[in-house]
Amino acid sequence: QKEVEQDPGPLSVPEGAIVSLNCTYSNSAFQYFMWYRQYSRKGPELLMYTYSSGNKEDGRFTAQVDKSSKYISLFIRDSQPSDSATYLCAMSNTGNQFYFGTGTSLTVIP
Amino acid sequence: GAVVSQHPSRVICKSGTSVKIECRSLDFQATTMFWYRQFPKQSLMLMATSNEGSKATYEQGVEKDKFLINHASLTLSTLTVTSAHPEDSSFYICSAQPGPNDQPQHFGDGTRLSIL
Repeated sequence: QKEVEQDPGPLSVPEGAIVSLNCTYSNSAFQYFMWYRQYSRKGPELLMYTYSSGNKEDGRFTAQVDKSSKYISLFIRDSQPSDSATYLCAMSNTGNQFYFGTGTSLTVIP
Repeated sequence: GAVVSQHPSRVICKSGTSVKIECRSLDFQATTMFWYRQFPKQSLMLMATSNEGSKATYEQGVEKDKFLINHASLTLSTLTVTSAHPEDSSFYICSAQPGPNDQPQHFGDGTRLSIL
């Protein structure tokens, strides 16, 4: 079983839709959770960083962590064509060893 | 803040050439830097982890003599692909982590390496 599971998609939504991206994990010791956005031919860009369970909101983005279910989510409200990218989840237990999902490809159609 | 600069962004060279890629943290000190390789439509594959002033820790299956990593300062790490061959062609991405360990990684924009 992989440490982190992420549906690769592709996911296609109309502009303005709410997007839900998810990852599940197996290691209950994970306590740091990240979401990165990666445009084609670019490095990943940190979007959200949370510690332990709970929600975190930043503009149109909301990250949720449910440690009891070993499940994390990223919600994008009012999605824009510029949100079209691959979204990677990542997590860590100690803070110096990171585990990445395979990424979900998102396309927002104007 | 938390800007990581990676250079060059694109390299095309002949087989047998050695190629050096630089990774710099521009506005923070990076206690740890990571080097990844990414194949098309695939996730990041960790190659090695380096801490300033010490030898890099390589992942299983990554040749230390092939991929030389130097982390000479808290703001600079380099990856040298020695005697590169076409199978080394890939997208190489570095990341840097500010201390302490509860900080996330910040990535450079990657280097696309093509070996002819």
